[in-house]
Amino acid sequence: RKEVEQDPGPFNVPEGATVAFNCTYSNSASQSFFWYRQDCRKEPKLLMSVYSSGNEDGRFTAQLNRASQYISLLIRDSKLSDSATYLCVVGNTGGFKTIFGAGTRLFVKA
Amino acid sequence: ETGVTQTPRHLVMGMTNKKSLKCEQHLGHNAMYWYKQSAKKPLELMFVYSLEERVENNSVPSRFSPECPNSSHLFLHLHTLQPEDSALYLCASSPGTSTSTDTQYFGPGTRLTVL
Repeated sequence: RKEVEQDPGPFNVPEGATVAFNCTYSNSASQSFFWYRQDCRKEPKLLMSVYSSGNEDGRFTAQLNRASQYISLLIRDSKLSDSATYLCVVGNTGGFKTIFGAGTRLFVKA
Repeated sequence: ETGVTQTPRHLVMGMTNKKSLKCEQHLGHNAMYWYKQSAKKPLELMFVYSLEERVENNSVPSRFSPECPNSSHLFLHLHTLQPEDSALYLCASSPGTSTSTDTQYFGPGTRLTVL
């Protein structure tokens, strides 16, 4: 089993749609969780951290379910500029070891 | 954005060459990282330095040799690489010294092609 698994994608959605990405992780001792965004031929950039209570930033909502070892990202009212690859990232207890998922590609079309 | 810079941006080298990748962070961070990103594969953590001390080494072949002369600079020395080493090499930095909870800030990467 991969340490961090994501929906394979790609997701093709029209503007204005709501889209959800899922991510599961294998290490129950994982302590930190993030969603990064990577545009084509660009470096990854932090989209948002994921907290146990869930968190929202504008059109983006992240949820964490520790019991199921599951993280989600919901994007509402999709924009063309949301087209990118979304990376699920999990940090393990202590140290610096962060594990990246393979990413989910999103295409938002007019 | 010039928080983390990498040079060169593109590199083509033969299997017998020796080259170095350079990374510099202007954010005052304490930790720096090297990642490898191959097509359709997750980012692979290669090395981590915290306050110039290597704290993570993910079973990387010895043909990759990191160097961290100070907290702002990180090098990746390359020698006798293989074609399968062709990838995007990303450098990142983070503020902390002992935690995996920090946001990582990435450089633009070096696109490496090994012939």
